[in-house]
Amino acid sequence: DAGVIQSPRHEVTEMGQEVTLRCKPISGHDYLFWYRQTMMRGLELLIYFNNNVPIDDSGMPEDRFSAKMPNASFSTLKIQPSEPRDSAVYFCASSFAPQVLKTQYFGPGTRLLVL
Amino acid sequence: DQQVKQNSPSLSVQEGRISILNCDYTNSMFDYFLWYKKYPAEGPTFLISISSIKDKNEDGRFTVFLNKSAKHLSLHIVPSQPGDSAVYFCAASRGGSQGNLIFGKGTKLSVKP
Repeated sequence: DAGVIQSPRHEVTEMGQEVTLRCKPISGHDYLFWYRQTMMRGLELLIYFNNNVPIDDSGMPEDRFSAKMPNASFSTLKIQPSEPRDSAVYFCASSFAPQVLKTQYFGPGTRLLVL
Repeated sequence: DQQVKQNSPSLSVQEGRISILNCDYTNSMFDYFLWYKKYPAEGPTFLISISSIKDKNEDGRFTVFLNKSAKHLSLHIVPSQPGDSAVYFCAASRGGSQGNLIFGKGTKLSVKP
């Protein structure tokens, strides 16, 4: 298996632009997580899905952030409009029950820079 | 407010010696703890975990110790190898929270040959 696939790997954009990050989880996994890593806050959970349904989005910072999972093999994280403080590395991870906690496999991340 | 704290941003150890990475937590409801390892330009990978019903779990060179009364856990790597150089994240979960992991900020370990 190719593992969790994220695209793009790097994104540079200007403040106010829309940014869309993409994730393809590992086939057969029924959980999908979006994390953000910054120097100040470390690794934070933004939102996670189970069977394509959002379960907990309490980590989503603002209404500018939205995430969707239209099917079991694809998810997006969108920031509109983007701001410089959104600059971070965004990770997607997937997992499967019942070993959800031990089996979170992370993608390589998308490094976002908002100018 | 950080519920999982790794107070040492970095640690440097000589090859062959023991590396001890520390983690403190504040939420007494946490009942499962994990360590992840992260190399540059890669996502974190699961390393070892421990349930709150145990105080020690060992896997090869890696051992995690849990002190519930002190709300403290530590990861021991013996012997340390240059390939262990990475950022180590401590994470915790509350029972019934499904996959919701709370991570610390990480400790960068450098193992010098």
